[in-house]
Amino acid sequence: DAGVTQSPTHLIKTRGQQVTLRCSPKSGHDTVSWYQQALGQGPQFIFQYYEEEERQRGNFPDRFSGHQFPNYSSELNVNALLLGDSALYLCASSPDNQETQYFGPGTRLLVL
Amino acid sequence: AQSVTQLDSQVPVFEEAPVELRCNYSSSVSVYLFWYVQYPNQGLQLLLKYLSGSTLVESINGFEAEFNKSQTSFHLRKPSVHISDTAEYFCAVSESRVFGNEKLTFGTGTRLTIIP
Repeated sequence: DAGVTQSPTHLIKTRGQQVTLRCSPKSGHDTVSWYQQALGQGPQFIFQYYEEEERQRGNFPDRFSGHQFPNYSSELNVNALLLGDSALYLCASSPDNQETQYFGPGTRLLVL
Repeated sequence: AQSVTQLDSQVPVFEEAPVELRCNYSSSVSVYLFWYVQYPNQGLQLLLKYLSGSTLVESINGFEAEFNKSQTSFHLRKPSVHISDTAEYFCAVSESRVFGNEKLTFGTGTRLTIIP
C-alpha cells in the first residue's frame, strides 16, 4: 500500500515565477492538507481540500492556491514567488472524519 | 486558536539514557494531541497520538507520552534511547470535533541528538 507521494522532490525557481506542486494521497484517503515548513521551524497549515473544495485555510496570502481532483490527488500553486517562500512543502492525507494525518516526504522549494 | 510550545530546541542525550521531550499546549476547546518524528531530509512520521481514553499512550518503538489536562502538557518519554532515535520531534494539536480532519498546529520542534 503506497503512502502519500509528492512530486517533484526538489525545485529551484526565481523570484516572480510560479510553481505547482503535486500530491497523491494514501489509498482510501479523500482529504488532503498542505503545510509549509520553513528551515528550523514547525510546519504551518496552508489549506485543506475535501470533495474538490477548499474546506479550511490558514494564514497564507491568495498567492497560494490549490486544487483537488476527482481521484483525490491535489496540487498546490504559488504565484509571484518570493524569497521567503523557500521551504519544505508537505502534503498530508486522511480519511474524512478521521483525526490522524499521514505525511508525504515533501517537496523542497528554493527561490533565488 | 491553539498554540504549542516546545521549550527545548535541542536535547543531547547519551545512548541508553532516558529522555523527556516537553510539550505544552494552549486551547479553549478539547484537543487531540500528536507527536511526529522527522528524520533528516524526510517528511513527518506519526509517532503516537492521544484522542481519548487512557491518558498514557505508547508507540511501537518504546516511546510513550502522557496527556495531562490540568497542566496542558503532552510530554514524550523514552526510558532508553538508541542512536537511531536521532531526529527532530514535533508536538502537534488539533481541535477535537464531531468531524475530524481539523488542521494541525505544530510546535517549533526539538532536535534529539544521541551521543554514543
